[in-house]
Amino acid sequence: KQEVTQIPAALSVPEGENLVLNCSFTDSAIYNLQWFRQDPGKGLTSLLLIQSSQREQTSGRLNASLDKSSGRSTLYIAASQPGDSATYLCAGPGDNTGKLIFGQGTTLQVKP
Amino acid sequence: DARVTQTPRHKVTEMGQEVTMRCQPILGHNTVFWYRQTMMQGLELLAYFRNRAPLDDSGMPKDRFSAEMPDATLATLKIQPSEPRDSAVYFCASGWALAGENTGELFFGEGSRLTVL
Repeated sequence: KQEVTQIPAALSVPEGENLVLNCSFTDSAIYNLQWFRQDPGKGLTSLLLIQSSQREQTSGRLNASLDKSSGRSTLYIAASQPGDSATYLCAGPGDNTGKLIFGQGTTLQVKP
Repeated sequence: DARVTQTPRHKVTEMGQEVTMRCQPILGHNTVFWYRQTMMQGLELLAYFRNRAPLDDSGMPKDRFSAEMPDATLATLKIQPSEPRDSAVYFCASGWALAGENTGELFFGEGSRLTVL
């Protein structure tokens, strides 16, 4: 059974720092992997999708990488800003039917 | 502006009452997920449909929960009878996947916040 773990559970950094969020899977047969952002009281917003043939994806100050052999993904946020404060979740396939399983998330606070 | 639409946004009900939550997936998407989010458990997958067929509902308490897709534009999640432990935010999400392929980018609705007294 696929399990997804995100480390750390919470992170507080000063504005301007570069930071890395981690996501790991028990089943390393990973296909698509997605990173999401959730603001309080809101739904999830897709940030980056890494497809099975890719190793990383970039969008603005965000870069996500996937190492399928080790079952790990990282989300790198460059030059963090207070507006980046949110919960970040990763999701990967629970099995080969296409369903997505989520980690518990990392709650990020960027202080001005 | 394509988006997943969920109703109601908020629902307060008494224990034992029936609750129905509705979701309109993005037009053209063929996969629909129902998730439940609580502080303790995080996001739990309740049900998953592809091309309107249920592929997985193993995360759903079968005795009181049911999920259906009457047509491609509507997914429903019903709880009968509701219990206080069902209090949570219920999210619907839709995406596109080819047969035999994993789901692509997933789009979430704003959620239905349910409180059962």
